[in-house]
Amino acid sequence: AQKITQTQPGMFVQEKEAVTLDCTYDTSDQSYGLFWYKQPSSGEMIFLIYQGSYDEQNATEGRYSLNFQKARKSANLVISASQLGDSAMYFCSGSSASKIIFGSGTRLSIRP
Amino acid sequence: NAGVTQTPKFQVLKTGQSMTLQCAQDMNHEYMSWYRQDPGMGLRLIHYSVGAGITDQGEVPNGYNVSRSTTEDFPLRLLSAAPSQTSVYFCASSRVQGARNTIYFGEGSWLTVV
Repeated sequence: AQKITQTQPGMFVQEKEAVTLDCTYDTSDQSYGLFWYKQPSSGEMIFLIYQGSYDEQNATEGRYSLNFQKARKSANLVISASQLGDSAMYFCSGSSASKIIFGSGTRLSIRP
Repeated sequence: NAGVTQTPKFQVLKTGQSMTLQCAQDMNHEYMSWYRQDPGMGLRLIHYSVGAGITDQGEVPNGYNVSRSTTEDFPLRLLSAAPSQTSVYFCASSRVQGARNTIYFGEGSWLTVV
């Protein structure tokens, strides 16, 4: 069975520091995508960034970037220069030939 | 842009009652799915559909039924509500099921079973 593993239930980071959130996708599919979503306290799911398994480059979107390790099927999210507004739950999602599943999430708290 | 629309947003049910959560999307997406999110937890896949007339079970399908008679609609039915089904439910859609497609979420439906 497929599984997304996020090993950090919660993290505290000082404002303006960079933070890395872990994600590993257990799948037998060779073609897959890894997504990151932010869920603030208001509850909506906000798409952040995507990495395809065949993409040559690591994905970047503004302050968000992915450290993609293909052999491990992991796509760790790096948030540079963290801001107070980054405090939220962060979910990693894996999409492949059969379904789209989510990890258990990481609660990120930014300290002023 | 309507995107993915879920109704109702809030619902309180008594144990044993049945109800249907509605989900509609206007983006002509083939892939639709339902997730539940318990407090402080991630999203767990209930059922999904890769096109009209095709549905399949996800990680936690028990107690729920779905159907996909049209591309636009993907209702989720609770057959006999139980307190364990108290959760926030998200409907989502994607252009086609596969690696490169961003998932669009509804705003969520808060369900309480008493």
